[in-house]
Amino acid sequence: EPEVTQTPSHQVTQMGQEVILRCVPISNHLYFYWYRQILGQKVEFLVSFYNNEISEKSEIFDDQFSVERPDGSNFTLKIRSTKLEDSAMYFCARRALTGELFFGEGSRLTVL
Amino acid sequence: EDQVTQSPEALRLQEGESSSLNCSYTVSGLRGLFWYRQDPGKGPEFLFTLYSAGEEKEKERLKATLTKKESFLHITAPKPEDSATYLCAVQWSSASKIIFGSGTRLSIRP
Repeated sequence: EPEVTQTPSHQVTQMGQEVILRCVPISNHLYFYWYRQILGQKVEFLVSFYNNEISEKSEIFDDQFSVERPDGSNFTLKIRSTKLEDSAMYFCARRALTGELFFGEGSRLTVL
Repeated sequence: EDQVTQSPEALRLQEGESSSLNCSYTVSGLRGLFWYRQDPGKGPEFLFTLYSAGEEKEKERLKATLTKKESFLHITAPKPEDSATYLCAVQWSSASKIIFGSGTRLSIRP
């Protein structure tokens, strides 16, 4: 049973379209991370988010990306204008007090 | 630049044949080193956390150890169901980000 639920499991979109990926924690956690994994490549850090603010972000997380916790529960990653190279699995994870991350099942994004 | 390097990239073993996977990291203020297992199309599954040199953690056929510059994941008498990609991840004390290595693809033949 994953500790976070991610939706959608798979999304196909046209280049230039906006995409919103959602992460719903099972219980009330404050510390979340987003990662992406391009097929066959490593798991790459995008952003960490603590108590409704960005804690740290990578070079990948440019102006095309944003994160929000719009209703205090769901946690979203938005890509404003998708590119072909945004095709990847996107993973949300919640962080435990002892530091380890617990991942969701991921959202597969395919940009055509 | 903080780096995490895993070796080998891929490892094929016979069932019951023990071996070790390596994870080396940039030595500067380690806060925590994590091992994960990832099956195809799935999210990484947490295995162990190690915080300081000399620490060891064990779970079934897996044992993780940590020195000042690297970590090993020892697999004893593996079974086919242990086949997966094993990922090492590191957090440094100066940052919240947790950086993953490229992983070792482990395949266990019956």
